[in-house]
Amino acid sequence: KAGVTQTPRYLIKTRGQQVTLSCSPISGHRSVSWYQQTPGQGLQFLFEYFSETQRNKGNFPGRFSGRQFSNSRSEMNVSTLELGDSALYLCASSLAPRGYNEQFFGPGTRLTVL
Amino acid sequence: AQSVTQLGSHVSVSEGALVLLRCNYSSSVPPYLFWYVQYPNQGLQLLLKYTTGATLVKGINGFEAEFKKSETSFHLTKPSAHMSDAAEYFCAVRLGGSNYKLTFGKGTLLTVNP
Repeated sequence: KAGVTQTPRYLIKTRGQQVTLSCSPISGHRSVSWYQQTPGQGLQFLFEYFSETQRNKGNFPGRFSGRQFSNSRSEMNVSTLELGDSALYLCASSLAPRGYNEQFFGPGTRLTVL
Repeated sequence: AQSVTQLGSHVSVSEGALVLLRCNYSSSVPPYLFWYVQYPNQGLQLLLKYTTGATLVKGINGFEAEFKKSETSFHLTKPSAHMSDAAEYFCAVRLGGSNYKLTFGKGTLLTVNP
């Protein structure tokens, strides 16, 4: 079974631009979560989607948004990029939003903002 | 709100020595606990998880962890370190109910010396 895939793997943008990252969950998984990983802040929860609905959102500004499609694929968008948005963005999928369910992580998209 | 503290941002051991990575959590309700490992330029891989039942949990690659409610701890151990264990390790907590986000510790970088 294929794992979680994220595209692109690397991205370089300049301040003020916007970016869209894509995540394809494991087949059959309907819950997708996004995390931001930086050296200073560590791993921080962005949002979680299930059945095309955002169920939880972390403490990030409105420039960060996401959506989930009917096939469970998910995208996240960051508008008006800032230098501090440079990070590894990780997507994770699970069967359903249950606390005991394991989240399977993709390799991440490394975003560099210049 | 839940939180996770990993004691020691960097742990160094000799090959063949005991590995002990410490994790303490704070949660108002019984949590679900996870240990993940991250190799350079990769996503996170689940080592083991505690949901309910037996408090000593065995995971992949010879790792195990013990849930101690009275100490609010979930320390990760491995009897004999191998060079391939060198990586960053993250402890995470998740509550039940409707909030399924993972809250991660800051991570512990494990170095294995020959």
